[in-house]
Amino acid sequence: EAQVTQNPRYLITVTGKKLTVTCSQNMNHEYMSWYRQDPGLGLRQIYYSMNVEVTDKGDVPEGYKVSRKEKRNFPLILESPSPNQTSLYFCASRGVGGNQPQHFGDGTRLSIL
Amino acid sequence: GQQLNQSPQSMFIQEGEDVSMNCTSSSIFNTWLWYKQDPGEGPVLLIALYKAGELTSNGRLTAQFGITRKDSFLNISASIPSDVGIYFCAGPGSSNTGKLIFGQGTTLQVKP
Repeated sequence: EAQVTQNPRYLITVTGKKLTVTCSQNMNHEYMSWYRQDPGLGLRQIYYSMNVEVTDKGDVPEGYKVSRKEKRNFPLILESPSPNQTSLYFCASRGVGGNQPQHFGDGTRLSIL
Repeated sequence: GQQLNQSPQSMFIQEGEDVSMNCTSSSIFNTWLWYKQDPGEGPVLLIALYKAGELTSNGRLTAQFGITRKDSFLNISASIPSDVGIYFCAGPGSSNTGKLIFGQGTTLQVKP
């Protein structure tokens, strides 16, 4: 089954404690992205990757890092989380071509205390 | 930057009623997408529109790509309880990065 898998689904942690949210896709997609969803703001892109070792900032990259060492994985790293990063996070992937749909994971709800 | 304005923000309707929501932009989009997000899940693509004026249906859902390329609407006919969720319009960002620009979402609640 084609899917995007995120882990963990839920995490409560404290300010300053480094955390990583993993994302893996099994569709051999080139493009991968991270979004955060906040009430009234829809989904906003944090970082994206067009292929292995190619990453770039989205609209709200501050406080986040990513890496793309393998095609299937695109982890999101919060080196020093702060309360304003409490949000619902989604990983997405799609293939090459303008009409390829994005596939989303089921989301990771992060609470930073 | 590119923005999508979606309305209404929320709707509370009776089962069986028709629903209409729309999305507008100050800039041209060449693709319009409509997603639905069920509680606790990620967005799922409902309908994709690729051509100005295009009208596309998916079951009880119908979406249209506005002639000006700056708007789109989604209609749901004869709503049922499982239509509950958040509906997002989206379009590709200005560069070929795989980025999607999302509207703020329309939260739909259906009363049985």
